[in-house]
Amino acid sequence: EIVMTQSPATLSVSPGERATLSCRASQSVSGNLAWYQQKPGQAPRLLIYGASTRATGIPARFSGSGSGTEFTLTISSLQSEDFAVYYCQQYNNWPRTFGQGTKVEI
Amino acid sequence: EVQLVESGGGLVKPGGSLRLSCAASGFTFSTYNMNWVRQAPGKGLEWVSSISSSSNYIYYADSLKGRFTISRDNAKNSLYLEMNSLRAEDTAVYYCARVSAVAGNHFDYWGQGTLVTVSS
Repeated sequence: EIVMTQSPATLSVSPGERATLSCRASQSVSGNLAWYQQKPGQAPRLLIYGASTRATGIPARFSGSGSGTEFTLTISSLQSEDFAVYYCQQYNNWPRTFGQGTKVEI
Repeated sequence: EVQLVESGGGLVKPGGSLRLSCAASGFTFSTYNMNWVRQAPGKGLEWVSSISSSSNYIYYADSLKGRFTISRDNAKNSLYLEMNSLRAEDTAVYYCARVSAVAGNHFDYWGQGTLVTVSS
């Protein structure tokens, strides 16, 4: 099983600041990585797939990068609606696995 | 508009069974692979199971094998999860999620989830 490790667990930032979230895979997942955003009481929402492709309707302030085992999600200028938990997920191997999440808070 | 609506959750005693359903609409259900993902209270996301569009390929999380069964009825646009021998640690919100038809096997749409509570 591929273990996905996200860091930090919690990221405290102010509106307008840049946020950088990391995700590391225990073995290569090529570019088969997605990022999801989840707000309290809501289902996860797809942000990024293929490591760097924004999903439909996702603002340009969200960007993803990386390949192999190291990935990054960057939010260029945090808006109030971006405070949430973010998960990475690999879909290169079975079983599909998620990181434990990074909470972005004020 | 793509919609996934889960149902069938509730309170069940340890050792009991439950069948979850996911009703799909707004897309051609029979052409999409589907998944179940769960989230224990206050915890992260855990992939449970996956089924291909024609049910030819089925995968489960290793920890669940033999207790859970995924299935689908393309004529009814519905996905199911049969859960047996339930344990307290199966308590979670269960989401159905669609696999994207665009390049990659990421999950592009999710339902709102149904809560399963296993407790005596």
